[in-house]
Amino acid sequence: EVQLVQSGAVVTKPGESLRISCKGSGYTSTGHWIAWVRQMPGKGLEWMGSIYLGDSDTRYSQSFQGQVIISADKYISTAYLQWSSLMASDTALYYCARHLRPGRPEAIFDYWGQGTQVTVSS
Amino acid sequence: DIVMTQSPDSLAVSLGERATINCKSSQSLSYSSNNKNDLAWYQQKPGQPPKLLIYWASTRESGVPDRFGGGGSGTDFTLTISSLQAEDVAVYYCQQYHSTPITFGQGTRLEIK
Repeated sequence: EVQLVQSGAVVTKPGESLRISCKGSGYTSTGHWIAWVRQMPGKGLEWMGSIYLGDSDTRYSQSFQGQVIISADKYISTAYLQWSSLMASDTALYYCARHLRPGRPEAIFDYWGQGTQVTVSS
Repeated sequence: DIVMTQSPDSLAVSLGERATINCKSSQSLSYSSNNKNDLAWYQQKPGQPPKLLIYWASTRESGVPDRFGGGGSGTDFTLTISSLQAEDVAVYYCQQYHSTPITFGQGTRLEIK
């Protein structure tokens, strides 16, 4: 069974750094791209970027380039999303999602993680 | 960036009736070489992640009931639920994957009348 399991909810302060994770199982993880998608409170879905676990090739949305870093460790089938200095406006639910076709970057998201709630508040 | 605009923002339909959601893209999502359209539909229920329903505008994902259908081409697309069931109450999003940045519509909230 394909699963994407994300790290747990976090409450932190402005200016802090953070890394959240997404671990895939039940499939050959190095063969797929993994995306990160933001959902702000009561709002819609925003694609942040995607990473290919096989070689860590990464593509960012211009809206998030320079604001976050997407990385991966293919040996443990895990993708990461990290911030160096969080702001209150980063408060959101963050999902990881698998691209449907192995080795192909088409952003059709067939499996999703359960989401990680990040709350940034002083 | 390709802007995706859904209509209506919310929709109330009686059980057993047809529900239709529209999605319009600011640029064509089709490739003339293969006649495919880079458009997906997702369903999101409260407290859950989105679920893939349709991709390539009209290909139903495995396990999705056949009452869900996708259509359209170019810049105009539709998601149709042929006979609304109670479990279909959700927010529905269209999404283009024709070019980066990947963009979603604003969502359509579907309720029971």
